[in-house]
Amino acid sequence: EDKVVQSPLSLVVHEGDTVTLNCSYEVTNFRSLLWYKQEKKAPTFLFMLTSSGIEKKSGRLSSILDKKELSSILNITATQTGDSAIYLCAVEEYNFNKFYFGSGTKLNVKP
Amino acid sequence: NAGVMQNPRHLVRRRGQEARLRCSPMKGHSHVYWYRQLPEEGLKFMVYLQKENIIDESGMPKERFSAEFPKEGPSILRIQQVVRGDSAAYFCASSGGGSSYEQYFGPGTRLTVT
Repeated sequence: EDKVVQSPLSLVVHEGDTVTLNCSYEVTNFRSLLWYKQEKKAPTFLFMLTSSGIEKKSGRLSSILDKKELSSILNITATQTGDSAIYLCAVEEYNFNKFYFGSGTKLNVKP
Repeated sequence: NAGVMQNPRHLVRRRGQEARLRCSPMKGHSHVYWYRQLPEEGLKFMVYLQKENIIDESGMPKERFSAEFPKEGPSILRIQQVVRGDSAAYFCASSGGGSSYEQYFGPGTRLTVT
């Protein structure tokens, strides 16, 4: 069964909109949750979250982890066409630094 | 550029041939991970290696697939007797291990089996 579930699977918005991407997980020995942005190449690292309730921010992107709800959200404000990509969520277990990836949310930002 | 390097970027093999994918981690990184991305699917973990050791290969298919990370040289993912279902993008990531375990990905190798 899927250990990391992302929603929505795809999303179409217009420039300037704000979007919220969701990631829920079910992992026994949680260590961290990571967000990646994947365009037409390998994923690039965005955020790593280990503590609940502490928001991480980078420009128009921000993310927060809720360990009680076993979930995380990635927010993008004032979206731009360059934000169009697949956003991957990955959860790491303590055992052997093993990572589980969600299937991604495909974001399409229209001009 | 000291990023993660993978080669070749594109590899075409006929059914039954062998495919060898190479990954050179970032400078200073001794942990390597291989992932497979099938069309329309997310990344799937395959194997986690440190120098000369396979730490976790629970995501590797039981047959035809093997991986190594020798003391010198790149990590190699080897697929013997390839089949059409092996066509995918294979990504390698490296990390420094310990407290520096963010993974940095290579550009991937796109394997096409004809």
